[in-house]
Amino acid sequence: NAGVTQTPKFRILKIGQSMTLQCTQDMNHNYMYWYRQDPGMGLKLIYYSVGAGITDKGEVPNGYNVSRSTTEDFPLRLELAAPSQTSVYFCASSRDRGELREKLFFGSGTQLSVL
Amino acid sequence: TQLLEQSPQFLSIQEGENLTVYCNSSSVFSSLQWYRQEPGEGPVLLVTVVTGGEVKKLKRLTFQFGDARKDSSLHITAAQPGDTGLYLCAGNFGNEKLTFGTGTRLTIIP
Repeated sequence: NAGVTQTPKFRILKIGQSMTLQCTQDMNHNYMYWYRQDPGMGLKLIYYSVGAGITDKGEVPNGYNVSRSTTEDFPLRLELAAPSQTSVYFCASSRDRGELREKLFFGSGTQLSVL
Repeated sequence: TQLLEQSPQFLSIQEGENLTVYCNSSSVFSSLQWYRQEPGEGPVLLVTVVTGGEVKKLKRLTFQFGDARKDSSLHITAAQPGDTGLYLCAGNFGNEKLTFGTGTRLTIIP
């Protein structure tokens, strides 16, 4: 059971570089999410998607972009990496809206450092 | 912005002891979830509570939702090293957003 798969596991970027964090799920879930987790802080929602072709901003969207061309994939794009984007990034999915008590399934995370 | 405060931030106890961690807010939750996160992994859902005063048990873990639905607690009986992890609460305040607390990092010493 693959669940939610994120790649890469670790990445170091230089300031100004760009990269895409990949996320795919095999549970046919409609809802997908990107969170960032900083030390001593809770998970903050970056972007979410309610289905293919539909995305919306979360709490901290600045500096990021997403797309949802298929149900399975929800990549997160960093265009001009900044030190403030150093964090651990988690992708998650749910069958229905996570905010409505639905269980979120998380990937194992991508640890990103911007130097 | 609704805030979820978790306490304590860190807790280290001996195997076999009991412990309680807390999740508090000044606002009323529509529902609340508890997750456990192990190092290098994503959070995993433990339980969802919905009704004020609700108590749910998961083996040695007991979850309680406050009567006023502004707080929740997680009690672990006879803690084991496998309970080590970061415990996160996540609340829905009825505004269609899930807010995560900052977590309690629990270490069980063998």
